[in-house]
Amino acid sequence: GENVGLHLPTLSVQEGDNSIINCAYSNSASDYFIWYKQESGKGPQFIIDIRSNMDKRQGQRVTVLLNKTVKHLSLQIAATQPGDSAVYFCAENYGTASKLTFGTGTRLQVTL
Amino acid sequence: DAGVIQSPRHEVTEMGQEVTLRCKPISGHDYLFWYRQTMMRGLELLIYFNNNVPIDDSGMPEDRFSAKMPNASFSTLKIQPSEPRDSAVYFCASREYMNTEAFFGQGTRLTVV
Repeated sequence: GENVGLHLPTLSVQEGDNSIINCAYSNSASDYFIWYKQESGKGPQFIIDIRSNMDKRQGQRVTVLLNKTVKHLSLQIAATQPGDSAVYFCAENYGTASKLTFGTGTRLQVTL
Repeated sequence: DAGVIQSPRHEVTEMGQEVTLRCKPISGHDYLFWYRQTMMRGLELLIYFNNNVPIDDSGMPEDRFSAKMPNASFSTLKIQPSEPRDSAVYFCASREYMNTEAFFGQGTRLTVV
């Protein structure tokens, strides 16, 4: 995909360490949020989602935290692996309009 | 289900030509989205449909862009006439209903020369 990192923030972590990727969303009325992973040449893939009535949700090796007060999302990846290297996007859904828009993305580089 | 299917995967065309991108959403999904991805602007939502009806086309950059969804299993995004600045990867995505994840196709890489 067209996500070459000239304009993307980059996070470098060592294999085995935990990663934290942050996202500021734009609309205080957004009620549903998704994290996506995009590898080169592919479409975004769903990782985990969270609804606005929650502040934390856990999946396999991933945790999403939601802070509605400051309109902030984070994605935590435990024991980061080389296969986690990709660009990560947060997406927000505007309520009844069901409009899904994306943030700018963060490139995660996992070093051995 | 094979997922969201887009065609073609790659398209190279000359400036001024008409380009048509195609998308087959996942069966049973009520929503279909068209996105454009570039280095400069990231992933932009162009237009989305609910039950084949366009809901929001405010992201469509110009009148040169148009999108249709004649039935629940097919959508097109057309650019006429195409310009070099339209070069990007265009993604189609579908979702079953509100507040569920959207599934993306593999994208169409468009190059206008």
